[in-house]
Amino acid sequence: NAGVTQTPKFQVLKTGQSMTLQCAQDMNHEYMSWYRQDPGMGLRLIHYSVGAGITDQGEVPNGYNVSRSTTEDFPLRLLSAAPSQTSVYFCASSYSKAGALNNEQFFGPGTRLTVL
Amino acid sequence: GDSVTQMEGPVTLSEEAFLTINCTYTATGYPSLFWYVQYPGEGLQLLLKATKADDKGSNKGFEATYRKETTSFHLEKGSVQVSDSAVYFCALGTGGFKTIFGAGTRLFVKA
Repeated sequence: NAGVTQTPKFQVLKTGQSMTLQCAQDMNHEYMSWYRQDPGMGLRLIHYSVGAGITDQGEVPNGYNVSRSTTEDFPLRLLSAAPSQTSVYFCASSYSKAGALNNEQFFGPGTRLTVL
Repeated sequence: GDSVTQMEGPVTLSEEAFLTINCTYTATGYPSLFWYVQYPGEGLQLLLKATKADDKGSNKGFEATYRKETTSFHLEKGSVQVSDSAVYFCALGTGGFKTIFGAGTRLFVKA
């Protein structure tokens, strides 16, 4: 099993550009989520999904879109990149729809994004 | 709202020293508590967890006890190694599908 994979590992964008961060998992997990990691702020939840076709907003959703057409994939789209979106982005998945209550989350290796 | 507060780092220790990283939480209901570790250049991975009061989670020599009376979940290890150098995150799992993470504590262990 590859676990949770993310592409690309690094990306530099100019302000106003759009892009999609890819995330895939091969563990048949129902719950998937996107976080951003900023110095001194821990991880903040952007969007999450409890199953194919179902997504919801997290703590910091503005400027990001997600969709979940399959169990395996959960891409994150930046609509019009801003310097404030410079961060490290992590995708995570978990066994069940209970997701965060008492289940381990499995994280991808992250995407380091810089917006100039 | 629900929150997690953990001690600021970095924490620098010599090999074989005793480690404590403090974590306190605020939550309604009965959350689960986690410690995740992030090694350089990698994603987070679960280190240990506890799902109810007085539970002790343990793994790789690390331990933490879920203390409801003090709303704490402090991470301890009796003898750290250079390979334990990483960032440690305390986290709280709620029934709302969300995990709330602390800011992280960076640990450096010197040989």
